[in-house]
Formats: sequence, C-alpha cells, structure tokens
Amino acid sequence: SSELTQDPAVSVALGQTVRITCQGDSLRRYYASWYQQKTRQAPVLVMYGENNRPSGIPERFFGSKSGNTASLTITGAQAEDEADYYCNSRDSSGYYYVFGTGTKVTVL
Amino acid sequence: QVQLVQSGAEVKKPGASVKVSCKTSGYTFTDHFIHWVRQAPGQGLEWMGWTNPNTGGTHYAQKFQGRVTMTRDTSITTVYMEVTRLTSDDTAMYYCARGPTSYDLLTGYRLDYWGHGILVTVSS
Repeated sequence: SSELTQDPAVSVALGQTVRITCQGDSLRRYYASWYQQKTRQAPVLVMYGENNRPSGIPERFFGSKSGNTASLTITGAQAEDEADYYCNSRDSSGYYYVFGTGTKVTVL
Repeated sequence: QVQLVQSGAEVKKPGASVKVSCKTSGYTFTDHFIHWVRQAPGQGLEWMGWTNPNTGGTHYAQKFQGRVTMTRDTSITTVYMEVTRLTSDDTAMYYCARGPTSYDLLTGYRLDYWGHGILVTVSS
C-alpha cells in the first residue's frame, strides 16, 4: 500500500477550479512532484518543488503544501486536463520514493 | 532534445528473466540518475529504483531488492534493468524516467523526461 494517499476520483465543470490532494507523513519534510497521465500514454511532469511548472505546462496548474498535504490545483479546468494525476515523493523513512494512489480527474 | 527510447515489448514465461533497455540522448548522460517505474494494467504507478549513470550505483525499492538489477553502459548512454524470477504479477508497463541533477534538486526532486514504456507480459 502507498504511503501517499489521494482521492480516487474528482470531477470538475469546464472552466471551474479543482484541487487534487496528496496526504502522507513524509510531506511534512519533503515536497511532492505531480504527474499527469492520459490513457495509454507515459506520465508527464506538471509540477514540482514549492510551486514549479516545467516548460510548456499551462499557468492554470498551481502547486502548494501545508502540513502533511500537498495539493495540485487547476484553475479554469480544460477538457484536455482530464487524466489521472499522481503525486510522488519520499516515503516516511526518507530513503525510498513512492507514488500516490492516483486521482482520476473528469472534466464535465 | 532530451529523449529516452525504450526497447520493445517482451513476453516471458513465469520463472524467466527479462532485461529491458533505455537509450538516452540530448543531455549529459552522467549528470542525471535514471529511475524505473512500472504500472500494472489498470493500476497506479510504482517506483522501482534508480541507477546513477556516473558511478553505476543503484538504489532499489525494498519490494524489488534481490530480484532487480539496474546497470548502465556509458559508451552508448543506455541504462538497463533486469527483473528475475518473473510471475504474472510482474506483467506491467515499465518506464524509465530522468531524475534531476544534484543542482536541480535544490528546486525539488522530479522525473522530468520519461520513456514511452515497455510492456512486459508474463504468461505461461
């Protein structure tokens, strides 16, 4: 079982805001990175560190962290944002990496 | 441009081994660790470990210790991962992904480029 817990699924109306959360004790010490995975495609990095977007990732993606929870917020969600999202960070020992359980985002 | 090109799909019988490759280009090979991540059908992502192309050092998830070996060939900027004693539970897509440089770590750990994945099917 993963040490990083995510809600299995969330939905958002087109153009509205959705927040995806990732909970785990290790997040009190470490930042998470976030990956978007569309059907039958490799994951794509969308957020890392305090709030860093890789080149090419739209400004509507925003990252944050508070206590043991990391969040990825999409403001003004678009149809192309429909995908599975995974967080990734160290586990509670700090010695290994682990992925979150994943959140399926549906844009209505 | 940075590219990670993985080898083709594999079909193996239970108990066999598989060795997959990840050919890198477009950056300094020895500057970035390479991580391996797998995804069973319909399941989430699972971190398997990393290899340091500069030193050959490795670090494996506890679940895979003793059964996974990651290596590299610096002359052809390629990393390999071998998984032994395969079972049906090892049927999955296997991805290689590039980690940050030691300098980039200052702004946060991430896997910024990924291979397209290799489907390994274990079936009798």
